[in-house]
Amino acid sequence: GAVVSQHPSRVICKSGTSVKIECRSLDFQATTMFWYRQFPKKSLMLMATSNEGSKATYEQGVEKDKFLINHASLTLSTLTVTSAHPEDSSFYICSARDGGAITDTQYFGPGTRLTVL
Amino acid sequence: DQQVKQNSPSLSVQEGRISILNCDYTNSMFDYFLWYKKYPAEGPTFLISISSIKDKNEDGRFTVFLNKSAKHLSLHIVPSQPGDSAVYFCAASFSGTYKYIFGTGTRLKVLA
Repeated sequence: GAVVSQHPSRVICKSGTSVKIECRSLDFQATTMFWYRQFPKKSLMLMATSNEGSKATYEQGVEKDKFLINHASLTLSTLTVTSAHPEDSSFYICSARDGGAITDTQYFGPGTRLTVL
Repeated sequence: DQQVKQNSPSLSVQEGRISILNCDYTNSMFDYFLWYKKYPAEGPTFLISISSIKDKNEDGRFTVFLNKSAKHLSLHIVPSQPGDSAVYFCAASFSGTYKYIFGTGTRLKVLA
């Protein structure tokens, strides 16, 4: 099946610093990637949709200046949490849609646990 | 407003028996539905999907049923195995938008 990787898997940072999370599709070209956030014991909340070569589309309530998304190639999207604060601590998960597939199935990365001190 | 709901936060089933996980949705415009399995600190793993033009899809031990009039879908796992213990999320989508709306998840525990 399609494989999506995320790096890093865990990151701890100080308040006020910026953190970059990478999401890669390893064996397919992802025209569309998605970034989700999951709070403990809660559902996955879609933060933004990222299309290769264009600006990301953010969901209502998500600060685009705080969560910078770049989708520069068909296999890589990055999420940068700028000026991180403790309330940004969460589990961030990306997913990718196979641009060559006829179905809408998304394949998820393993997630990144961000802890802001 | 939760458009996709999984009203049972947890479910325990004996090994070998059937597990039935339920999901309800409110928007009749959803036309593509999926089930994902998730372990702690990992990303969701795709299990099975169904388009709104069908009412059943089967893949090995997993079967998804869709009742459009009731806006309800369910995942049946038979026979259940201890390795099936995980959190199961249903998701709904409008085809062409590629955006998923996830349910709140049901934690399945299969007892040996």
